[in-house]
Amino acid sequence: GQQVMQIPQYQHVQEGEDFTTYCNSSTTLSNIQWYKQRPGGHPVFLIQLVKSGEVKKQKRLTFQFGEAKKNSSLHITATQTTDVGTYFCGSGNTPLVFGKGTRLSVIA
Amino acid sequence: ETGVTQTPRHLVMGMTNKKSLKCEQHLGHNAMYWYKQSAKKPLELMFVYNFKEQTENNSVPSRFSPECPNSSHLFLHLHTLQPEDSALYLCASSQASTSGGPADTQYFGPGTRLTVL
Repeated sequence: GQQVMQIPQYQHVQEGEDFTTYCNSSTTLSNIQWYKQRPGGHPVFLIQLVKSGEVKKQKRLTFQFGEAKKNSSLHITATQTTDVGTYFCGSGNTPLVFGKGTRLSVIA
Repeated sequence: ETGVTQTPRHLVMGMTNKKSLKCEQHLGHNAMYWYKQSAKKPLELMFVYNFKEQTENNSVPSRFSPECPNSSHLFLHLHTLQPEDSALYLCASSQASTSGGPADTQYFGPGTRLTVL
């Protein structure tokens, strides 16, 4: 099955700074999904990427799927306190295989 | 609201108790999942039901017993748990992927916060 490694595990940033989390695999991935889990909440779907080199944007969030389809990144520009939470990547079919997540803290 | 409900939201039980967690989805999905989330192992997949058939059991101890009576309901029966089983138990549902295609979006319930004394 597809395995994904996610880095970093934790990230603390000042409000206004950028943030990036990476999802890496040793094998070619069929897809990447990104989820956000707010503190005390449950994971919520953000986006899915399936094409090599695909880039999608949602306001301040930019999602990228590598050309070799072995890595993906989520970049947040000018973080806000509302961005706090854990960001998970997942890949595969039924079921998805999730990475361990990156916990983002934003200091106001 | 994501269309996936879980009850109870909080549960405290002793090691000798028997309890059940319930999950219901109103999204017309045909795949349902149980995850365990703890500080040590975020989003640990436990069980997968695909069209009511269990397709995955990730080496889960027998003190956890899943049941899927239909495509909308999923239960997790708990018996003689250990304190290390204390965690957030999340249910999720999705449309099962077909022909090896990419997975459909997973919709998570709010979870049951379980404490085993």
